[in-house]
Amino acid sequence: ETAVFQTPNYHVTQVGNEVSFNCKQTLGHDTMYWYKQDSKKLLKIMFSYNNKQLIVNETVPRRFSPQSSDKAHLNLRIKSVEPEDSAVYLCASRDRGDTLYFGAGTRLSVL
Amino acid sequence: GDSVTQTEGLVTLTEGLPVMLNCTYQTAYSTFLFWYVQHLNEAPKLLLKSSTDNKRTEHQGFHATLHKSSSSFHLQKSSAQLSDSALYYCALSGMATGGNNKLTFGQGTVLSVIP
Repeated sequence: ETAVFQTPNYHVTQVGNEVSFNCKQTLGHDTMYWYKQDSKKLLKIMFSYNNKQLIVNETVPRRFSPQSSDKAHLNLRIKSVEPEDSAVYLCASRDRGDTLYFGAGTRLSVL
Repeated sequence: GDSVTQTEGLVTLTEGLPVMLNCTYQTAYSTFLFWYVQHLNEAPKLLLKSSTDNKRTEHQGFHATLHKSSSSFHLQKSSAQLSDSALYYCALSGMATGGNNKLTFGQGTVLSVIP
């Protein structure tokens, strides 16, 4: 049963373009995340958003920015994509027992 | 800081053989240890979770026991099935400032079950 929805599933773009990915959760959780899953399948946390507090992983380039209208939505914008941004971007929400519920991911290919 | 180590990047097994995926961790204070499973082109999802020392946790034929003395949470199954082929992540939640526990993932282990 899907409860974390990500759009689009796939996105192909060229270097320098701007892209936005959407994420919505219907679980009523207070905390949401964006993870990057690279070609080696490593999961790297990018952002977390909890009670309007944004926590940024300091290693994330400035061209990435999260956007949230409420606790059910956490979108991701990349201002000017670069080839190394090609990856799967996973959105997740977290319950009070620290369990993560992931979306199916957005696969980004930068040409 | 916290760390989770999965020593095998790829485990290939013949159907019917037992499965064991290793997970060890380092933390000053952990709340939960997790195993997540990600099948091809799907979302990672929770497989097992535990916070109790020396207690076996089971789900969908898999089991794991948290051993705090050895900082381990190995994933096991008695008999591998073709449908078990997937990517498995071990993870822990550790105490962080502000009460928002920090989640740390291992590198992931691909389990490939062959006929």
